[in-house]
Amino acid sequence: KAGVTQTPRYLIKTRGQQVTLSCSPISGHRSVSWYQQTPGQGLQFLFEYFSETQRNKGNFPGRFSGRQFSNSRSEMNVSTLELGDSALYLCASSWGQGARDTQYFGPGTRLTVL
Amino acid sequence: DQQVKQNSPSLSVQEGRISILNCDYTNSMFDYFLWYKKYPAEGPTFLISISSIKDKNEDGRFTVFLNKSAKHLSLHIVPSQPGDSAVYFCAASGRTGANNLFFGTGTRLTVIP
Repeated sequence: KAGVTQTPRYLIKTRGQQVTLSCSPISGHRSVSWYQQTPGQGLQFLFEYFSETQRNKGNFPGRFSGRQFSNSRSEMNVSTLELGDSALYLCASSWGQGARDTQYFGPGTRLTVL
Repeated sequence: DQQVKQNSPSLSVQEGRISILNCDYTNSMFDYFLWYKKYPAEGPTFLISISSIKDKNEDGRFTVFLNKSAKHLSLHIVPSQPGDSAVYFCAASGRTGANNLFFGTGTRLTVIP
């Protein structure tokens, strides 16, 4: 079974631009969560989608948004990029919604904002 | 505010010896805890978990201990192998039906051959 895939793997943008990251979950998984990893903060939860609905949201500004499609694929968008948005963005999929459903992570998208 | 803390950014252990990775949390509502392992250029991989109704869970060389009164958990790896060299993240969840995991900042384990 193929794992979680994320595209692109690397991205360089400039301040003020917007970016869209894509995540394809493991086949059959209905939940997709997004995390931001930075050196000082570790992994921080952005949001979770289940059956095309956002079920849970972390403490991030409204510039961060996402969506999930009927095939469970998900995208996240960051508008008006800031230098501090430079990070590794990780997507994780699971069959169900609970924390007891193991989340499988993709390799991440490394975003650099100049 | 970091609700899950891993105060040791790095740990070096000789091959064959025990590795002990520690994690503290502040939120008493957390009821499920997990450890993830991360290699460079890969996403975190689930390792082992424990529910708050238990104080110990074993899976092969890996054992997680939970001390609820101290709000502390630890991961023991015995014996340590060079392939265990990675960054280990502790994570916690406080609500069923939610995939919102709170992660620590990670501990880089180096197992010296």
